[in-house]
Amino acid sequence: DSGVTQTPKHLITATGQRVTLRCSPRSGDLSVYWYQQSLDQGLQFLIQYYNGEERAKGNILERFSAQQFPDLHSELNLSSLELGDSALYFCASSVGTGRTGELFFGEGSRLTVL
Amino acid sequence: GENVEQHPSTLSVQEGDSAVIKCTYSDSASNYFPWYKQELGKGPQLIIDIRSNVGEKKDQRIAVTLNKTAKHFSLHITETQPEDSAVYFCAASRRRSGGGADGLTFGKGTHLIIQP
Repeated sequence: DSGVTQTPKHLITATGQRVTLRCSPRSGDLSVYWYQQSLDQGLQFLIQYYNGEERAKGNILERFSAQQFPDLHSELNLSSLELGDSALYFCASSVGTGRTGELFFGEGSRLTVL
Repeated sequence: GENVEQHPSTLSVQEGDSAVIKCTYSDSASNYFPWYKQELGKGPQLIIDIRSNVGEKKDQRIAVTLNKTAKHFSLHITETQPEDSAVYFCAASRRRSGGGADGLTFGKGTHLIIQP
């Protein structure tokens, strides 16, 4: 158990809909990261938050947005969903300061868009 | 941005033999190179990492080597066991001195199959 909690584990929805994925980082971790994993693209970095502020942005679509709340949990919002958005979405967290670079991944939220 | 290439995509080895997975990166500013193992139905888990001021690092049956000049790094697993079967990802990033970690750029993964 990595200590990172993601909900829901599975989600099935229709094209055009909007969903919210939730992540609770490990206790004490200030950074939260979102990754999208699909069969043909591997693990794609979407966005990183550090202590509530956006820190880095990757290949995140404009239809997607995220935020990190004062209690450090994070939400990834996916809107106007398309079939191609079907994927496994991972949240990871890391210690905000210090020398270790390890990311701790949750077990993912599997999104299926029909 | 950073681009990480990983080979092979699938690797099948006999139990007890060694396995080698290779990665190349494009951004010369990258200074941190972790390897993650992902078992079926789980999230990736760090197994070993190396920083750019080190050329090799070992942890029991696992070792990683880094060639900064050529911008490539490799994972070596010796005496492979059935539980080594998984998908392995290499990654690269730049560490920030002010805290936190840059988003990792991952390779596309190698499915390692250990044949009994």
